Amino acid sequence: AQTVTQSQPEMSVQEAETVTLSCTYDTSENNYYLFWYKQPPSRQMILVIRQEAYKQQNATENRFSVNFQKAAKSFSLKISDSQLGDTAMYFCAFMGVNYGGATNKLIFGTGTLLAVQP
Amino acid sequence: AAGVIQSPRHLIKEKRETATLKCYPIPRHDTVYWYQQGPGQDPQFLISFYEKMQSDKGSIPDRFSAQQFSDYHSELNMSSLELGDSALYFCASSLGGLAFTDTQYFGPGTRLTVL
Repeated sequence: AQTVTQSQPEMSVQEAETVTLSCTYDTSENNYYLFWYKQPPSRQMILVIRQEAYKQQNATENRFSVNFQKAAKSFSLKISDSQLGDTAMYFCAFMGVNYGGATNKLIFGTGTLLAVQP
Repeated sequence: AAGVIQSPRHLIKEKRETATLKCYPIPRHDTVYWYQQGPGQDPQFLISFYEKMQSDKGSIPDRFSAQQFSDYHSELNMSSLELGDSALYFCASSLGGLAFTDTQYFGPGTRLTVL
């Protein structure tokens, strides 16, 4: 069974600084997808970024980028120029591929609570 | 852009009562997922539907049932509610198609409190 591990329960960063959130996962599959979702105090789950395992290039979305190391099964999120609005719980999620015709559920890590300080 | 709609946003029930949560997916999305997030926990997969058929099932209690209707909206029915059912219930939708690899977009959630 796949597992996702986020070893940093809480992190803090100063506004405008850069912070990196860690995520490791365990799978025997070769094809899969990885995501970072953000959950601000409103509790809404917001997609931050998506990475396809078959792509070697790291995904980027504006100030958010990932460092995807497939061999090491590592998927870290870098937030540049941190803003107060980035304060949230960040969940790393794994999605395998079921070729048997069923949908693919998300498996989440336990989250990292990021606080951006003014 | 239109998002996933969930209703109600908040629900308070007594033990042993029933509750019905509704989810309206993003237009053209034919796949719906339900997740449960307990206090201080990560979301856990409950059940999913594609084209009105149940597709996959997670750790969903037998007291819970769900279905997807012809307009692709979905309802999660919860009976004999227990204190431990208090949680945030998310619905997510995506496009189906080959291997279901589309991104899942989440609704705002329904906060269920069982007293």
